Amino acid sequence: AQSVTQLGSHVSVSEGALVLLRCNYSSSVPPYLFWYVQYPNQGLQLLLKYTSAATLVKGINGFEAEFKKSETSFHLTKPSAHMSDAAEYFCAVSSHTGGFKTIFGAGTRLFVKA
Amino acid sequence: DAGVIQSPRHEVTEMGQEVTLRCKPISGHDYLFWYRQTMMRGLELLIYFNNNVPIDDSGMPEDRFSAKMPNASFSTLKIQPSEPRDSAVYFCASSFTSGGTDTQYFGPGTRLTVL
Repeated sequence: AQSVTQLGSHVSVSEGALVLLRCNYSSSVPPYLFWYVQYPNQGLQLLLKYTSAATLVKGINGFEAEFKKSETSFHLTKPSAHMSDAAEYFCAVSSHTGGFKTIFGAGTRLFVKA
Repeated sequence: DAGVIQSPRHEVTEMGQEVTLRCKPISGHDYLFWYRQTMMRGLELLIYFNNNVPIDDSGMPEDRFSAKMPNASFSTLKIQPSEPRDSAVYFCASSFTSGGTDTQYFGPGTRLTVL
């Protein structure tokens, strides 16, 4: 069975500060890993995904995530937060053997202070 | 492309009424997913289709929920009868070829309120 755990339901940073959103996964087979972002009153949209190529994945809006198999982690980072980054972020895991199901984490709401 | 289209965007109904949510996936996508999002339970996969065929409906809460995909460009999620605990935002998403291992494109959601 697959699962994903996001550490911290809320994260608050100052504008210009480092953003770090934590995600740990559980999967018995090589996983596909995703970060999605949800802005208020909108659907989710893909930030980036890991599909067994490079372990450091770059996404849109300056975000990146690193796949660390030894730590079963896929943390999301951005060097400098912008006010427009305020949103909810979801980590997700899936695999071919998971029946193509994508399992989403509970989400982390990011607040950016001026 | 216009993206995934959902209607209505908001629905307010009374307990016991039938509710039908609609979804038009992105043209050419062969996977379609229905999700439900609530504060308490987060984002839950209800059912997904591949080439219009339901593949896994294990997330459908109970028999009051049903979903159909009569063709590649249209799907419905029906709740009959509706209950207050069904109040949530329902999302439809579609993807191409790889299903859950590929990018899913989400619609804007339907906010359902059952009084």
